[in-house]
Amino acid sequence: SQKIEQNSEALNIQEGKTATLTCNYTNYSPAYLQWYRQDPGRGPVFLLLIRENEKEKRKERLKVTFDTTLKQSLFHITASQPADSATYLCALARTALIFGKGTTLSVSS
Amino acid sequence: ETGVTQSPTHLIKTRGQQVTLRCSSQSGHNTVSWYQQALGQGPQFIFQYYREEENGRGNFPPRFSGLQFPNYSSELNVNALELDDSALYLCASSLEGTGTDTQYFGPGTRLTVL
Repeated sequence: SQKIEQNSEALNIQEGKTATLTCNYTNYSPAYLQWYRQDPGRGPVFLLLIRENEKEKRKERLKVTFDTTLKQSLFHITASQPADSATYLCALARTALIFGKGTTLSVSS
Repeated sequence: ETGVTQSPTHLIKTRGQQVTLRCSSQSGHNTVSWYQQALGQGPQFIFQYYREEENGRGNFPPRFSGLQFPNYSSELNVNALELDDSALYLCASSLEGTGTDTQYFGPGTRLTVL
């Protein structure tokens, strides 16, 4: 079955640095991959979608890459702020979403 | 434009009971997906409804069932509750339920089974 892994459960960085989160997948070649943000006690909020034929996607301080050879997506937050502290989820996109466990990012000032 | 709403916010049940959770889709969306999120885990897909028909199901037993109504709101029913059913239940609506669709999540219902 498809498996999606986010290999860091927690990431702690200082304000102003770039946060890089990793998402790896196996047994599947998704046409799309989505990234969501989830705050405690809330539902996930959509951030970015990247297609298999797109190497990179940007939105403000966010950047996502998609390497279908490595079966990996990287999610970057540049100039990170304490308000970026949250859990970030990647998901293979089919009819429904297959989520990873998430990486909890903490940005300290 | 109203967002996705879910009710109730919290619920406590005992093992063996039955529960119904409700979801109102975002305006204009005809697809609803339900997810179960255990503590410290990512959401797991339960099933999806598109225009009142089940359109996909995850690895959940038949005691998890659902409905979608003509106004595209939805219910999740769980029979014979087990302790492991304790989780945050999320509903998400989207336009067509395809891979490129953005899914808009509600705030969730926190179910505790004692």
